Amino acid sequence: ETGVTQTPRHLVMGMTNKKSLKCEQHLGHNAMYWYKQSAKKPLELMFVYNFKEQTENNSVPSRFSPECPNSSHLFLHLHTLQPEDSALYLCASSPKWGDAYEQYFGPGTRLTVT
Amino acid sequence: AQTVTQSQPEMSVQEAETVTLSCTYDTSESDYYLFWYKQPPSRQMILVIRQEAYKQQNATENRFSVNFQKAAKSFSLKISDSQLGDAAMYFCAYRSANGGSQGNLIFGKGTKLSVKP
Repeated sequence: ETGVTQTPRHLVMGMTNKKSLKCEQHLGHNAMYWYKQSAKKPLELMFVYNFKEQTENNSVPSRFSPECPNSSHLFLHLHTLQPEDSALYLCASSPKWGDAYEQYFGPGTRLTVT
Repeated sequence: AQTVTQSQPEMSVQEAETVTLSCTYDTSESDYYLFWYKQPPSRQMILVIRQEAYKQQNATENRFSVNFQKAAKSFSLKISDSQLGDAAMYFCAYRSANGGSQGNLIFGKGTKLSVKP
């Protein structure tokens, strides 16, 4: 148990649905990250929050909407997704943004858009 | 922009044998960090080993060691005495020593390692 949890672990949704992914870290970290992991591609950084403030948005489509109510929780709100958005979505945390040490990852949410 | 290349999509090793996973990167910076992460099937990605570019000595963590060649921009991972539990995707990652956006991790595409009993 790495201290970063994600729910749900699996999600199937239609293109017209609205759903949310949740991430929680119990490590006392101040930075949290959303990554998209697709087969045969490098992990893509989507969003970064540092002390609850969004510091990175890597040209992510607006159908993905992040929310960070506090340093321990991170959400990814999904609406009108496309089939190409099907992927493993990973949450990670670190003591602070851009620091030298490792990021701690959650187990991911396997998202399938039908 | 920095890039990380893992040229071996899949590798296989016999249990108890040694295997080396390759990673090369491209950067104009002199100070940075390199990482190997392991992602077992359906489990969390965890850090295996970290190397600071300013250190000449290769990092070692038990059965895992790296061969860091700064001039060649190469960072390979050696797994000795391979075990069944080593089967996983392995990702090489780069991070600038600068903060802010430059401090974000840049990952390779990964190498899938299979361990044969």
